[in-house]
Amino acid sequence: GESVGLHLPTLSVQEGDNSIINCAYSNSASDYFIWYKQESGKGPQFIIDIRSNMDKRQGQRVTVLLNKTVKHLSLQIAATQPGDSAVYFCAETPSSGNTGKLIFGQGTTLQVKP
Amino acid sequence: EAQVTQNPRYLITVTGKKLTVTCSQNMNHEYMSWYRQDPGLGLRQIYYSMNVEVTDKGDVPEGYKVSRKEKRNFPLILESPSPNQTSLYFCASSLSRVFGRAEQYFGPGTRLTVT
Repeated sequence: GESVGLHLPTLSVQEGDNSIINCAYSNSASDYFIWYKQESGKGPQFIIDIRSNMDKRQGQRVTVLLNKTVKHLSLQIAATQPGDSAVYFCAETPSSGNTGKLIFGQGTTLQVKP
Repeated sequence: EAQVTQNPRYLITVTGKKLTVTCSQNMNHEYMSWYRQDPGLGLRQIYYSMNVEVTDKGDVPEGYKVSRKEKRNFPLILESPSPNQTSLYFCASSLSRVFGRAEQYFGPGTRLTVT
């Protein structure tokens, strides 16, 4: 069945460095991918999304890269700040024919050291 | 203020006692969805609704019911709760599921304990 996984449960970075959070997915028919940030005690918050016909998308301080050949997704955060400390989830829509369904990975905890 | 609200925020109940968790959004969003979050399992989708009167199962629908009679509300019903439904529940909504309009807004969560 479909699964979405993150490579590392925890990532620790120095403030000001760039962070890269990785995600692997198994369904080659997946059409749409999203990154969410969840701070302690809060609901997830949308960061950025990308469609399967794209390989890169940029937002404010964040970039998502999609490599369909190896079914890999990454989130890059530039100049990481203490406020970036949170759990990051990738999620996918398994097919273009069923856009309502969403499958989440288990999450990577980003710790930013001052 | 644009938001998704859930009630109650915390609930402790006993096995078999029917309960409803309400979800409401004030953004005129078409799409709404329920998730549960458990340690080590991440977020799993329970049910979703593409629009009024249109609902469909997510990955873990067993033991849950939903309804979408109006656009703003999407209640989650547990007809006969069991201890394995103890979890943190999130409701979310988005304008649609079309790329560029699919940003989901999540509610604050409902922590449910079934004894």
